[in-house]
Amino acid sequence: GQSLEQPSEVTAVEGAIVQINCTYQTSGFYGLSWYQQHDGGAPTFLSYNALDGLEETGRFSSFLSRSDSYGYLLLQELQMKDSASYFCAVNTGFQKLVFGTGTRLLVSP
Amino acid sequence: DAEITQSPRHKITETGRQVTLACHQTWNHNNMFWYRQDLGHGLRLIHYSYGVQDTNKGEVSDGYSVSRSNTEDLPLTLESAASSQTSVYFCASSPGTGDQEQYFGPGTRLTVT
Repeated sequence: GQSLEQPSEVTAVEGAIVQINCTYQTSGFYGLSWYQQHDGGAPTFLSYNALDGLEETGRFSSFLSRSDSYGYLLLQELQMKDSASYFCAVNTGFQKLVFGTGTRLLVSP
Repeated sequence: DAEITQSPRHKITETGRQVTLACHQTWNHNNMFWYRQDLGHGLRLIHYSYGVQDTNKGEVSDGYSVSRSNTEDLPLTLESAASSQTSVYFCASSPGTGDQEQYFGPGTRLTVT
């Protein structure tokens, strides 16, 4: 089967740093994506890692270790607007995505 | 500006009826995808297409069909709606090149009574 595990909820305060982990077990692996989704909204793309290592995009960074079947999303200088759900997704080939069940991030003042 | 739209945004239908959800993108993307989102399951792939006349089954395709007669549209049809198909449906598209980003539509909330 295919499974992606991520925490269901994470809480943090404004200005803090938070890490959302994702472990995966899939029948194929070409890369790990992260998407953000605000309540009632559509998922929006944050990052993609095909190779091991850290990718940085502004306040957000994403890390991948293929040997450990593990990745994480790092959010720095948290803002209230970062309160949302975050999904990891494995590209199993030709952009077919298998999504995790999502992590709800709550940022408090 | 290029965009991806879905219609209707909300739909209530009865068990057994045929329902079609529309998805239209103006980016000229080759790849299009349909997902459903349910609490506790994240997004699950229903059907996808890599170009005109190409359609493929995803992880949860039973009870659904799609057709791709042009680049812009990928309508999703529920042949005989069931209560288990009550969900939020998202359409997405991507260029099909090295760009891994999928661009999602605003979603359709479907209730089957």
